[in-house]
Amino acid sequence: GQNIDQPTEMTATEGAIVQINCTYQTSGFNGLFWYQQHAGEAPTFLSYNVLDGLEEKGRFSSFLSRSKGYSYLLLKELQMKDSASYLCAVQDSNYQLIWGAGTKLIIKP
Amino acid sequence: ETGVTQTPRHLVMGMTNKKSLKCEQHLGHNAMYWYKQSAKKPLELMFVYSLEERVENNSVPSRFSPECPNSSHLFLHLHTLQPEDSALYLCASSQDRGGGPGDTQYFGPGTRLTVL
Repeated sequence: GQNIDQPTEMTATEGAIVQINCTYQTSGFNGLFWYQQHAGEAPTFLSYNVLDGLEEKGRFSSFLSRSKGYSYLLLKELQMKDSASYLCAVQDSNYQLIWGAGTKLIIKP
Repeated sequence: ETGVTQTPRHLVMGMTNKKSLKCEQHLGHNAMYWYKQSAKKPLELMFVYSLEERVENNSVPSRFSPECPNSSHLFLHLHTLQPEDSALYLCASSQDRGGGPGDTQYFGPGTRLTVL
């Protein structure tokens, strides 16, 4: 079966760095997406990786290793507004997105 | 209006009611999606439309009926729902559906549905 695993919840301190991991087992691979979802709001697109390596976008970076079925989202200089759920999703060979259950990130002052 | 909009934002209905959820995208996209989001569970894909044709129906009960009259509008018609159908229903759109960054999905704010 297809499966996406990510931690349920993480806690970090304002100004620090946090890494949210995502491992996947899917039927084929056509890219990996990260989304941010604040409570009661829509998921918003953060990043897309299809090749191995690190993609940097401001305070957020996303890494992919296809051979290991592994990705992480790195958030630097954490701000209180970064408190949200972070969703990992993999596009399989049928172009369907397989979603993880999300990681709730709690930022403390 | 920009992006993806959904109405209503909140809906409470009895099990014998009939209601409809509406989604509109202003992005010029070709694909639209309905998802169900329950607490602490992955997003569940319900229906996919590409160029107004339904391309996927992930074993969704017949009490949910989608309609896509044109590439900008998507409806989800609800009838005789069960309490376990209470969830956040999200609509999304993407430019294409064939792999690559063009498949990035943009979501509406969702409809919080409660079935009594």
